[in-house]
Amino acid sequence: KAGVTQTPRYLIKTRGQQVTLSCSPISGHRSVSWYQQTPGQGLQFLFEYFSETQRNKGNFPGRFSGRQFSNSRSEMNVSTLELGDSALYLCASSLAVGGQSYNSPLHFGNGTRLTVT
Amino acid sequence: GNSVTQMEGPVTLSEEAFLTINCTYTATGYPSLFWYVQYPGEGLQLLLKATKADDKGSNKGFEATYRKETTSFHLEKGSVQVSDSAVYFCALSSTGGGNKLTFGTGTQLKVEL
Repeated sequence: KAGVTQTPRYLIKTRGQQVTLSCSPISGHRSVSWYQQTPGQGLQFLFEYFSETQRNKGNFPGRFSGRQFSNSRSEMNVSTLELGDSALYLCASSLAVGGQSYNSPLHFGNGTRLTVT
Repeated sequence: GNSVTQMEGPVTLSEEAFLTINCTYTATGYPSLFWYVQYPGEGLQLLLKATKADDKGSNKGFEATYRKETTSFHLEKGSVQVSDSAVYFCALSSTGGGNKLTFGTGTQLKVEL
């Protein structure tokens, strides 16, 4: 079974630009979560989607947004990039049987490393 | 709010040494607790989990026991190998919190021959 796939693996953008990251979950998984990992702040929850609906949101500005498609694939978008947005962005999928996903382990992708210059 | 505190690294051990990585948490209700491991250049992998008090999670020789009275979930392994070198994250998810995990800052483990 294929794992969680994130594309692209690396991105370099300039301040003020916007960027879209993609995540394909494990087949059959309906919940997709996004996390930001930085040396200073560690791992921080961005948002979670289930059945195309945002279920949960972390404390990030509105520049960070996401969506989920009917095939469970998800994208996240960051607009008006800032230097501080440089990070490893991790996507994770979960089975989320019955919508109760808290007891279903997350399966993480290898991440997209975004560098903002 | 929820928080997880784990010991700072790096932790450097010789092969076959005993490992303990401390983790304590603050949360309301009855959270589920997890240890994740991250190898260089990769995403996180679930190492073990416990969903209620006194549960012991175990995998690949690693163990951790959910201690509600001390709000702790310390990771232990009796004999580490060089291949265990990685960053270890303690995390919790609160009841009804979906897949919103709160992570500790991570502890880097280096195992030398």
